[in-house]
Formats: sequence, structure tokens, C-alpha cells
Amino acid sequence: QQQVKQSPQSLIVQKGGISIINCAYENTAFDYFPWYQQFPGKGPALLIAIRPDVSEKKEGRFTISFNKSAKQFSLHIMDSQPGDSATYFCAAWKTSYDKVIFGPGTSLSVIP
Amino acid sequence: DVKVTQSSRYLVKRTGEKVFLECVQDMDHENMFWYRQDPGLGLRLIYFSYDVKMKEKGDIPEGYSVSREKKERFSLILESASTNQTSMYLCASTWGGPTYEQYFGPGTRLTVT
Repeated sequence: QQQVKQSPQSLIVQKGGISIINCAYENTAFDYFPWYQQFPGKGPALLIAIRPDVSEKKEGRFTISFNKSAKQFSLHIMDSQPGDSATYFCAAWKTSYDKVIFGPGTSLSVIP
Repeated sequence: DVKVTQSSRYLVKRTGEKVFLECVQDMDHENMFWYRQDPGLGLRLIYFSYDVKMKEKGDIPEGYSVSREKKERFSLILESASTNQTSMYLCASTWGGPTYEQYFGPGTRLTVT
């Protein structure tokens, strides 16, 4: 019930393509769903986040799609660029308890 | 600019040694966290702290302890390091308010030989 599943484990996308990473959770108590981006040698940094009362959130080339009934959410990176090459973590947060559960991560490589 | 710093980027210790990892944040955040990051497992919470001298166990607290004597500083202690504690250790902090954004340090790569 505390697990967050993430797929794929790794992803290779051509420059200009769409990168899609999927996550699924089980515990309906989660009420905040952030995505983190991590470059080699750096700590993760918040990329975009969504609450379950919204089905989609877009910030620039990054979009989160959220399906509450399926308990699934995904990150879409439009017009992927080599600078987007990083590891991406989805997470689920029970804000009343201030505890975050992270997915295992997706290594994205965007090739020219 | 928001900043979380960790005392070491790389650390090599021997089995059985006592290891201290230190984290400092300059944002006056209430909450601080210690995670370990392993390939294919993502980030797993070891301990977190809501306030000075307060601590809560995370998902994998065995073999670790923590100390928070000052608001800005959160230490992770490996009482007797073992090889299975070789990992990347990440510290994070949050204000705890509506943004819920965790700010992470750069990590400490610990190798136990």
C-alpha cells in the first residue's frame, strides 16, 4: 500500500520527441504527487507537481496527467532535448503526515 | 538562494567504524529528512525530523540513528558501518507549508569496505 511503481526503468528518446514516464500508487491517502529531476552528481530537484483534484497540469514542456480512479499519473516531456537527459522520480505524498514515497526512478537519455 | 549542504561528497569507511553524515540547511525549514538512494530502488526514507530534538523512523531505520540539536542541522549516524550501507545518502528539508517542496543536498557517496 505504500509502494509507488514507476516505468520504464530507462528510456531513450530522439531529440524533439515525446518522453513519457508512468507511475502508479495504491494508497488513496496520498494527496500530492511531485516529479523530481536529478542530474548526475546532484540531488533531486522538484520539476512539477499535481494534486488529485486536477487531471492535468502543464508547465512549459512538462505535463503531468493524473487519473485518480486508476491511481496512475504520468509525466510527459514534449520536444525532448539532450539537456533533459536525467533521472526522473515520481513521488506520492501524504501531506498530513509529511511523508513522501518515491518511485524507483527512470533514466532518460535524449539523443540528438 | 535556497541551500542544503552535506558535509562530504565522498566518504570511504571501514566495516565497524562509526560514521557521521551532517546536513545543514539555511532556509529555516522545520522538517529535515535523510534518504538513501540505490539503483533500481529510488529514494528510501531513513529518518525524518519535524523539529529540534524530534525524530521519526522512516522506512529503513535499522542500523542508523539521527541527531537534531539545532534547527538547521540534521546528522545521520551509522553506529557500526557495514558493507550493505554502501550507498548515496541524500539530505532534504521542507518548510512544511503548502508548497511541500523538498530541497535536496548534493548527496554523500559512502563506501564501506
